[in-house]
Amino acid sequence: DADVTQTPRNRITKTGKRIMLECSQTKGHDRMYWYRQDPGLGLRLIYYSFDVKDINKGEISDGYSVSRQAQAKFSLSLESAIPNQTALYFCAIGPAAGEVDTQYFGPGTRLTVL
Amino acid sequence: KNEVEQSPQNLTAQEGEFITINCSYSVGISALHWLQQHPGGGIVSLFMLSSGKKKHGRLIATINIQEKHSSLHITASHPRDSAVYICAVAGNQFYFGTGTSLTVIP
Repeated sequence: DADVTQTPRNRITKTGKRIMLECSQTKGHDRMYWYRQDPGLGLRLIYYSFDVKDINKGEISDGYSVSRQAQAKFSLSLESAIPNQTALYFCAIGPAAGEVDTQYFGPGTRLTVL
Repeated sequence: KNEVEQSPQNLTAQEGEFITINCSYSVGISALHWLQQHPGGGIVSLFMLSSGKKKHGRLIATINIQEKHSSLHITASHPRDSAVYICAVAGNQFYFGTGTSLTVIP
């Protein structure tokens, strides 16, 4: 089984709709991250969480919100989707101790906003 | 401003060739990662290094902390190596390069 799972894997939606992307992990890591990837750009950090009660904005948090429902679950919401949020979204996890400088990535969610 | 720069952006090689991808960064880091992204989109970590050199099979990664530079080498390249290779650095946050798209032709 994959250490990090994301649902859905693909989603097409319309402008103005609310969308939730979900991320689950089985490694028991404390740190979870949401990134988006656009052609020609590196991955950019949207939000991150270092434990259940900790939520932090990343580089491009406008238009997004997150919820850390449990240590293993970190959801990303687009309250009112717009076409420039069309991108590939990745969830990643990392340990809070030991190799703190590493991340494990989920398989990605391809989101298209029409 | 890009904290991480990779070169080249695109690379086409014949099977068997030796390949080098370069990464330069401008921030203080605790570690540097080389990631591989296949056409399906999934990202896997190839290496994490903070000094010197690491080798896994045909892949070799080196880092020069003083020069803020890292290279990823692929020896005896194969079509299955075709992917996007991403350099990422761990500083006060993770910074990612835009990737190098490698195509290895049989």
